[in-house]
Amino acid sequence: DTGVSQDPRHKITKRGQNVTFRCDPISEHNRLYWYRQTLGQGPEFLTYFQNEAQLEKSRLLSDRFSAERPKGSFSTLEIQRTEQGDSAMYLCASSGSHPGNQPQHFGDGTRLSIL
Amino acid sequence: GEDVEQSLFLSVREGDSSVINCTYTDSSSTYLYWYKQEPGAGLQLLTYIFSNMDMKQDQRLTVLLNKKDKHLSLRIADTQTGDSAIYFCAESKHNQGGKLIFGQGTELSVKP
Repeated sequence: DTGVSQDPRHKITKRGQNVTFRCDPISEHNRLYWYRQTLGQGPEFLTYFQNEAQLEKSRLLSDRFSAERPKGSFSTLEIQRTEQGDSAMYLCASSGSHPGNQPQHFGDGTRLSIL
Repeated sequence: GEDVEQSLFLSVREGDSSVINCTYTDSSSTYLYWYKQEPGAGLQLLTYIFSNMDMKQDQRLTVLLNKKDKHLSLRIADTQTGDSAIYFCAESKHNQGGKLIFGQGTELSVKP
């Protein structure tokens, strides 16, 4: 297994456009997390899934953001009507859930730039 | 509340030891982590420690946890230029889905 994979690596778009990112987790991991990282800051939690169920959403996740994990494998994160403030690195991570601690492993992220 | 703090910069000479410090406020944290991030890349898990442990050693890395003071440190022995990166401390609570709360990151610069 090659680890967590994210696509695309970079996305440049105009303000107001919709964008969608994809994350493929490590195959045996049933938890999948999305984080956002702005320049000079640590990642901030957005949402997470256990299998196909979305169990928690941060208040950072406005109604322009939606995430899905339809079959409990890959996940997509969509941002509608993008704004300048959405420019960031979007990181995906995956982990197991039992037993004991299952540390999160991260992909290389999708860097979003809004023109 | 949830707050993780780190100093922003650390500069060391190649071959010296580096010590990166972190403080956290949530005493119910279950696990504490160190991740490394190189430019343009995602986060690489370095090591983690359970909150009932005081110390963990893994090759050149030593993690010390002072739970009373809510202080975590990462010591890198024999620091190399390849260790230059940003290091993030993070906490999680297993009963809250394991989401990670990160510090701002410490930029380690290793000079030859």
